[in-house]
Amino acid sequence: QLQLQESGPGLVKPSETLSLTCTVSGGSISSSSYYWGWIRQPPGKGLEWIGSIYYSGSTYYNPSLKSRVTISVDTSKNQFSLKLSSVTAADTAVYYCASESSGYGRDWGQGTLVTVSS
Amino acid sequence: DIQMTQSPSSLSASVGDRVTITCRASQTITSYLNWYQQKPGKAPKLLIYAASSLQSGVPSRFSGSGSGTDFTLTISSLQPEDFATYYCQQSYTTLRTFGQGTKVEIK
Repeated sequence: QLQLQESGPGLVKPSETLSLTCTVSGGSISSSSYYWGWIRQPPGKGLEWIGSIYYSGSTYYNPSLKSRVTISVDTSKNQFSLKLSSVTAADTAVYYCASESSGYGRDWGQGTLVTVSS
Repeated sequence: DIQMTQSPSSLSASVGDRVTITCRASQTITSYLNWYQQKPGKAPKLLIYAASSLQSGVPSRFSGSGSGTDFTLTISSLQPEDFATYYCQQSYTTLRTFGQGTKVEIK
């Protein structure tokens, strides 16, 4: 079973860029078995898939966020990262990283709350 | 986008009850349907993948069925630790989408 851990600032100012990193342990991020994904959940609301990346760098994003999202992978550090630009209060959420196998999130990080506020 | 609609949005049940949650897709997703359980303050936990495959370590009282557009999650005998919110998710398209969730509360 993989362990995933999100890290990054818990407070971001409006119009700035949200940056989070997910560190994977218990396995290699270069495994051909997984994509690596980001999912978010606004307080008291449901889940929204943001996007996913393969170790080769191949990505796919939620079209509703695509213009603002970049997901990247660093195989040397066994990490993958999320950048979300031009954030507003609507981007306040718990952000989760997860391993994705055949489209389902198998292992999840504990989540990190990011608040957008000045 | 494929819209996922769960019903009911919430339900009250007693320990030992049989509970059924329904998920409907706006178009066919064959068997690309997954179920998660989420408890307050915790990450979602995978229960069922590919409509009916039980994730390793998940109790056998959980089961999933369906194909095409209509799917069901069944808890055969509700246990105290099962009170949580349940989400369905389609993985038929690269744009993954979730249902709005079903909250299972204690009666």
